[in-house]
Amino acid sequence: QKEVEQNSGPLSVPEGAIASLNCTYSDRGSQSFFWYRQYSGKSPELIMSIYSNGDKEDGRFTAQLNKASQYVSLLIRDSQPSDSATYLCAVNLQAGTALIFGKGTTLSVSS
Amino acid sequence: GAVVSQHPSWVICKSGTSVKIECRSLDFQATTMFWYRQFPKQSLMLMATSNEGSKATYEQGVEKDKFLINHASLTLSTLTVTSAHPEDSSFYICSASSGEQYFGPGTRLTVT
Repeated sequence: QKEVEQNSGPLSVPEGAIASLNCTYSDRGSQSFFWYRQYSGKSPELIMSIYSNGDKEDGRFTAQLNKASQYVSLLIRDSQPSDSATYLCAVNLQAGTALIFGKGTTLSVSS
Repeated sequence: GAVVSQHPSWVICKSGTSVKIECRSLDFQATTMFWYRQFPKQSLMLMATSNEGSKATYEQGVEKDKFLINHASLTLSTLTVTSAHPEDSSFYICSASSGEQYFGPGTRLTVT
């Protein structure tokens, strides 16, 4: 059974700190990896996608992928209270197929 | 960026009635659309995969006769919850794919 595991949290960090979110996946055939942010009562919003090993940076966000360890992470630098949300890790085997979601990690950034 | 809309954003209906939810990709053509359901404090659960012009593929445990999906065009998919019951109350979210997936804003269904 294909699974995506995340620590549910909550992860609490002070404003300005680095938040580190982690995710592991079970299917070695997974090809695409995504991080979504979901505010309470809203639908998920795509933050980052990553397809190859290594780091990918976009503004304050850095996604890291290690296929050998079946591990993907998201770093949020200079965390802001507005970053407080649930972060969902998702993977799929190929483009156009359904995403498999983790249960999400709740991040709380205190001012 | 890619925009996906859903209508209605929320709906309250009585037990036994049917509700239709529309999902539209506004600025791109989506060969595949997905329907998810999310209960409070839980992650998204895939209900079905919908390809334009063909029958939807339902996940195990999802009743295809209860959750009717129609994908009539490359920009529109509909989900009809038939004979709704209170346990069908949930947040229904569609996503459209042109490679990456983009989510609609969701529809909150409450069945009384």
